[in-house]
Amino acid sequence: EAGVTQSPTHLIKTRGQQATLRCSPISGHTSVYWYQQALGLGLQFLLWYDEGEERNRGNFPPRFSGRQFPNYSSELNVNALELEDSALYLCASSYGTSGGETQYFGPGTRLLVL
Amino acid sequence: TQLLEQSPQFLSIQEGENLTVYCNSSSVFSSLQWYRQEPGEGPVLLVTVVTGGEVKKLKRLTFQFGDARKDSSLHITAAQPGDTGLYLCAGESDYKLSFGAGTTVTVRA
Repeated sequence: EAGVTQSPTHLIKTRGQQATLRCSPISGHTSVYWYQQALGLGLQFLLWYDEGEERNRGNFPPRFSGRQFPNYSSELNVNALELEDSALYLCASSYGTSGGETQYFGPGTRLLVL
Repeated sequence: TQLLEQSPQFLSIQEGENLTVYCNSSSVFSSLQWYRQEPGEGPVLLVTVVTGGEVKKLKRLTFQFGDARKDSSLHITAAQPGDTGLYLCAGESDYKLSFGAGTTVTVRA
């Protein structure tokens, strides 16, 4: 069974540009979660999508947005990039939303903002 | 400010030694999970603990959930170089995982 996949693996942008990151969940999983892992800060929850809708959002500005497609894949968009947005962005998927569902993580997209 | 505080931040030990990583919070969680992350990869779930006071063993790894469901510990017996990695604890509440900053463990051969 294929795991969670993310693309691209690396992304280099300059300040003010926009970045688009993509995630394909494990087959059968309906929930997709996005996390930011900045150096020394641990994983910070960004967004949670389930059945195409945004279910929860972390403490990030509105320039972090995303969506979930009918096939449950997801996209994270970061507008007006700032240097501090440089981080590893991890996507996770889970089956169902009853709470306590195991989240399976992808390998991440490393974003570097110059 | 991290909701979950992990200690120590770094740990370097010799093969065969034991180690313990701590995860503490002032919040109560529905469950607490431990992950291990290796460079260039996403975190991989090791265990989920749900009941206060629960102890789970996974080969040489022992996980304990505090009675009040606010803290947890991970103990590794006779550590091996393959145990090297970033260990993360995460508390689940309101369908959201809150992660600690992690403990980087290095086991020297």
